[in-house]
This record gives sequence, structure tokens and C-alpha cells, in this order.
Amino acid sequence: QQQVKQSPQSLIVQKGGIPIINCAYENTAFDYFPWYQQFPGKGPALLIAIRPDVSEKKEGRFTISFNKSAKQFSLHIMDSQPGDSATYFCAASRGGSYKLIFGSGTRLLVRP
Amino acid sequence: GAVVSQHPSRVICKSGTSVKIECRSLDFQATTMFWYRQFPKKSLMLMATSNEGSKATYEQGVEKDKFLINHASLTLSTLTVTSAHPEDSSFYICSATTGTRPGELFFGEGSRLTVL
Repeated sequence: QQQVKQSPQSLIVQKGGIPIINCAYENTAFDYFPWYQQFPGKGPALLIAIRPDVSEKKEGRFTISFNKSAKQFSLHIMDSQPGDSATYFCAASRGGSYKLIFGSGTRLLVRP
Repeated sequence: GAVVSQHPSRVICKSGTSVKIECRSLDFQATTMFWYRQFPKKSLMLMATSNEGSKATYEQGVEKDKFLINHASLTLSTLTVTSAHPEDSSFYICSATTGTRPGELFFGEGSRLTVL
């Protein structure tokens, strides 16, 4: 029940494409769902986050879609660029806790 | 704002020695910091939760005598890998929260430990 399942493991798109990364969870107590971007040799950086009271959130080219009934959420990257090539992690936490449960990660490659 | 700094970024040590990694919140006070370990091409594994002025809380399976955590001030937490062995080689990352937005964590740049 503590797991967050992430897919796909890796993803290759052309520049301008819209990669979509999906995550699913079981614990309905989770109430905070962030996405992190990590470049090789660096720590994760918070990209965007959503709470269950909304179904979609946009920040720049990044959009989170949230489906509470299906217990799924996804990250869409609009107009993807080679600089977006990185590993993306979804995560979840519950009840005001700062303890994050991470997905397994998706390695994204955006070809020029 | 919300910058977390780690030092050193890379460290190489001999087997049997101890290594200390520092994690600092530069522009905010962090009552709680977290330490993660990450193996190549893998996800982040939470090792322990560090609370200022009290003992760290370790996750199941993490040896508290091997990984000593101290959170002596509101801006500094340290992780000491004691009697390091090659299997302790990993990427160690700390994170901290400002405490203003539940769940929101800011991560350091990570410290790569190589034990020879």
C-alpha cells in the first residue's frame, strides 16, 4: 500500500513531442503528489505538485493530470526540448507528512 | 529561495575509514531533514528522518550504527558513514522542508561516496 508505481521505465521522443509519464498509487491517504526532475550526478529538483482537490495543474510546459477515482496521476511535458532529457520521479506523501514515497523513475530522452 | 547545499559533492575514501557529509539549508530553517541513498539508475531510498535537537528516525533495514545522523542546528544535518566498506559506495542526497507547505521538500545536490 505504500508503493507508487511509475511507468514507463524509459521514454524517447522527438523535440516538440509530448512525453507522458504515469504513476499509480494504492494508499488513499496520500494527499500530495509531486514530480521531481533529476539530471545525472545532481539531486532531484521539484518540478510541479498537485493535491487531490484538483484534476489538473499547469506550470509552464509541465502539466499534471490527476484521476482520484483511478488513483493515478501523470506528467505531460509540452513542446519537449533536448534540455528536458533527464530522469523524472513521481512521489506521494500523506497527511501533511514530509516523508515522500518515490516511484521508480522514468529516463526521458528528447532527440533534437 | 529554499536552497539546500551538500558538501562534499564527491568523496573517495579507503575501506575502514569514516566519512562525514554535511547538509545545510542556506536560506531557511529546517526543523526536519531527510537522508536518501540512490544507487545508479535507481530510485531514491529514504534512510532516515533527522529532527533538530533529537535522535534521527531510521527506516527499516538501515543500520543506525553505520549511518550516524546528527541535526545539531536548524540549518545543518550531518551524515557520517562509519567504517565504510565498498558496498557503502553510493549517491547520498539530503532534503529539507521549510515547514510551510506540507509535503514540499527541497533536495541538495547529492554527495557521491566511493569506498576503495
